[in-house]
Amino acid sequence: QLQLQESGPGLVKPSETLSLTCTVSGGSISSSSYYWGWIRQPPGKGLEWIGSIYNSGSTYYNPSLKSRVTISGDTSKNQFSLELDSVTAADTAVYYCARVPPGSSHYFDYWGQGTLVTVSS
Amino acid sequence: EIVMTQSPATLSVSPGERATLSCRASQSVGSNLAWYQQKPGQAPRLLISGASTRATGIPARFSGSGSGTEFTLTISSLQSEDFAVYYCQQYNNWPPWTFGQGTKVEIK
Repeated sequence: QLQLQESGPGLVKPSETLSLTCTVSGGSISSSSYYWGWIRQPPGKGLEWIGSIYNSGSTYYNPSLKSRVTISGDTSKNQFSLELDSVTAADTAVYYCARVPPGSSHYFDYWGQGTLVTVSS
Repeated sequence: EIVMTQSPATLSVSPGERATLSCRASQSVGSNLAWYQQKPGQAPRLLISGASTRATGIPARFSGSGSGTEFTLTISSLQSEDFAVYYCQQYNNWPPWTFGQGTKVEIK
């Protein structure tokens, strides 16, 4: 059974970098069949795709966040990570990691439980 | 960017009744449309992909239809566990992949 688990600081100061890690169990992020993505949800609001990584190397970002986002993979730990630079209060959200199933269809079939990150001084 | 618009924002339905949720895309997305269910404090759960294909383990009372720009999620007979927020997502044109703003299904 595939499981994803987000981890990282729950509080980040404005202008600093938000860093989160998604640990995958029950499957390998190095498999060439899957994309792995990050999605966020501000409190009481809808979902926003942040970006995805494929085969631990190729990355694809939301243009609205591209200048501040880096997604990377660590196959030795079966993890992939999110860094978001220069955060503001608008980046306060629950951050989810998720898997895209095999094929060219970029929807998300497995999700982590999510982690709330608050941007505040 | 493709904008996904869901209606209504809130749908009040009695248990056992049918619920019909709409999702409209600002341009054609073919059949590249997914539906998710989200309960308070939980991650979204995939219900439907390809506009009409139920995900593994999803009850038959959930059905999806539509193509192009107009899509519908129907819950044929609402159970207590179905009261939640539902999101559509297009995955035809990127970047970015985009979600609707959600429809909350509440108990009438």
